[in-house]
Amino acid sequence: QVQVVQSGAEVREPGASVKVSCKASGYTFTTYVIHWVRQAPGQRLEWMGWISAGNGHTKCSQKFQDRVTITRDTSASTAYMELSSLRSEDTAVYYCATKPTGYTYPFDPWGQGTLVTVSS
Amino acid sequence: QTVVTQEPSFSVSPGGTVTLTCGLSSGSVSTSYYPSWYQQTPGQTPRTLIYNTNTRSSGVPDRFSGSIFGNKAALTITGAQADDESDYYCVLYMGSDIWVFGGGTKLTVL
Repeated sequence: QVQVVQSGAEVREPGASVKVSCKASGYTFTTYVIHWVRQAPGQRLEWMGWISAGNGHTKCSQKFQDRVTITRDTSASTAYMELSSLRSEDTAVYYCATKPTGYTYPFDPWGQGTLVTVSS
Repeated sequence: QTVVTQEPSFSVSPGGTVTLTCGLSSGSVSTSYYPSWYQQTPGQTPRTLIYNTNTRSSGVPDRFSGSIFGNKAALTITGAQADDESDYYCVLYMGSDIWVFGGGTKLTVL
């Protein structure tokens, strides 16, 4: 059974960085891609970017491309999303979601979400 | 930048049928956008309903269906139930490895 488990909640001050992890199990890690999606309180889902676990290729939304770094460690079956220069508007639940390589597959399963709070 | 549009809110009576749509601020949605639909209740992780336009995810009741309706992707709920009251999100593949979520539709069943 494919599962993804994310790291725990984080609190950061404005201007700092945060790194969220997403550990996958139940499948061959390198055959999937991992997407990152965030949701601010009471707001919509917002796609941030993705990484191919196989070749490490990444793509980020234009909105985040200057502040987001997405990486993976194949030996640990884990993907990471680092967001820098944090501001209060970055307070949100950050989700990872896996999918097999290919456009026809859904974002599924999702991690449980990681709450990142940006506050001084 | 093209925006993915959804109705902000919709209301349906129990047992009724409702169609939620997912469009573009410019242009038409086709199967080449690989639309998928997710249901989310407050505090919960999104649940996949439909992917690749009209493929129902495992365990999803057949009263949920997906299609292309005119120039938009559509999610139809037939025989709405009280626990269908949720937020519904579509996501589209925009090309160049970019995906975009719609703004979501808050569905009320009453």
